Amino acid sequence: SAVISQKPSRDICQRGTSLTIQCQVDSQVTMMFWYRQQPGQSLTLIATANQGSEATYESGFVIDKFPISRPNLTFSTLTVSNMSPEDSSIYLCSVGLAGAGETQYFGPGTRLLVL
Amino acid sequence: AQSVTQLDSQVPVFEEAPVELRCNYSSSVSVYLFWYVQYPNQGLQLLLKYLSGSTLVKGINGFEAEFNKSQTSFHLRKPSVHISDTAEYFCAVSQTGGFKTIFGAGTRLFVKA
Repeated sequence: SAVISQKPSRDICQRGTSLTIQCQVDSQVTMMFWYRQQPGQSLTLIATANQGSEATYESGFVIDKFPISRPNLTFSTLTVSNMSPEDSSIYLCSVGLAGAGETQYFGPGTRLLVL
Repeated sequence: AQSVTQLDSQVPVFEEAPVELRCNYSSSVSVYLFWYVQYPNQGLQLLLKYLSGSTLVKGINGFEAEFNKSQTSFHLRKPSVHISDTAEYFCAVSQTGGFKTIFGAGTRLFVKA
C-alpha cells in the first residue's frame, strides 16, 4: 500500500481566487490521479497526473481551470483556478499501484468551500 | 465503456443485523471490481477487490462480496454490523490492465443501536 497526505485538509476561499492542493506519497508511484467529490455525490476523475509531461484531463475538465503539476514520482499539485461556489467539493488525490490489480489508494481529501 | 449502479442510496440497519449493499456493473470487457468505504471526513479506504479466481472475496472488517458474472453483480455483505460501520460505501470497476476507475453513486450505511 501507500501512505498519502494532502495539504490543506480544508479551506474556505473567496470566489475569483485560486487554491493549490498538494499531494505527497511516501513512495515512488507511477500513476497519480485527482478526483472531485461534490457534496453528496460520487467521485469524478479530473485528470491523471503524468510525471514529466502534461496531465491527461477527462471530459469536462480543462487545464486552465485545473492546472496540475507532477515534478517527481512522489508529489503532485492541483490548482483550482478562478473559483466559484460550484467548485465547493472534496478534492482527492489517489495513486495506483501496478501489480496489485491496479488498485488505487486515496489521500484524506481536501475540503474546499467557496463563498 | 463501463458503468456502475448502486441500487440503494441509503441502507438503515440495526446493530448486529446482517446487511447487503447491492452493486451492478456493465462492461463489454473483463473488469476488476472494488468496494471502498469512506468514513465521515476521511478519504476512501479499500475494503476488498475482485481480480480473478474465487468469486467470493473477503475483505477487511468482516466484509465479503461475491462476483456474479451472469448477473453482472458484486454485492457486498456483512453478517453482523457494528455502529462503527456507519459510512459511505462505493462500488467501483476498472478495465483489466488499466487504472481508470468508474465509481458508483455510493450507498450510505447507517447502523442504529
